[in-house]
Amino acid sequence: EPEVTQTPSHQVTQMGQEVILRCVPISNHLYFYWYRQILGQKVEFLVSFYNNEISEKSEIFDDQFSVERPDGSNFTLKIRSTKLEDSAMYFCASSEASGGTGNIQYFGAGTRLSVL
Amino acid sequence: QKEVEQDPGPLSVPEGAIVSLNCTYSNSAFQYFMWYRQYSRKGPELLMYTYSSGNKEDGRFTAQVDKSSKYISLFIRDSQPSDSATYLCAMSASGAGSYQLTFGKGTKLSVIP
Repeated sequence: EPEVTQTPSHQVTQMGQEVILRCVPISNHLYFYWYRQILGQKVEFLVSFYNNEISEKSEIFDDQFSVERPDGSNFTLKIRSTKLEDSAMYFCASSEASGGTGNIQYFGAGTRLSVL
Repeated sequence: QKEVEQDPGPLSVPEGAIVSLNCTYSNSAFQYFMWYRQYSRKGPELLMYTYSSGNKEDGRFTAQVDKSSKYISLFIRDSQPSDSATYLCAMSASGAGSYQLTFGKGTKLSVIP
């Protein structure tokens, strides 16, 4: 069964360092998303991406964050200068289309980011 | 007022019990309603998907949406220890652009053998 894969599963970094989280969405999906979940809190939307550009972003997704689809399969989230409060699980998701059952989003297993 | 409210539990039931999980929401633009299951430190796994109001059944799981009350439910019949997980409700609006999901906080369920 197709799945969203994320690497690494756990990333440890020092405050102020740049990190890149990687995702391979399901191959025929066109919409890509990043969410985060701080321990004990809700899953929160960060950004959506379609046709090589950002469709929508939340207030959390400030200038420290960027997304990219560098090739036909990968989708990345970059945090330029990490802060302690960026420590969270980051989930990548993808969906086939917009509207109807195409809107169903499938999630990867997540990357646990620990900022020290 | 929070957009999606979900009782975080924890909820503990004996094996074989019927489980009822619920969410309320405030945004009348929400059209798509989902239930995800999440095991500890894992990604959300889709269980049920419903568009607009109505019921949907899949095996032991039934999802209900009442848009007039802004209330959604997930019922689990004949609950099993393997159903022990956190259950997240999620919803999104329709329209051009993205379909970002708004999640509830999740209800932690334990099914005791």
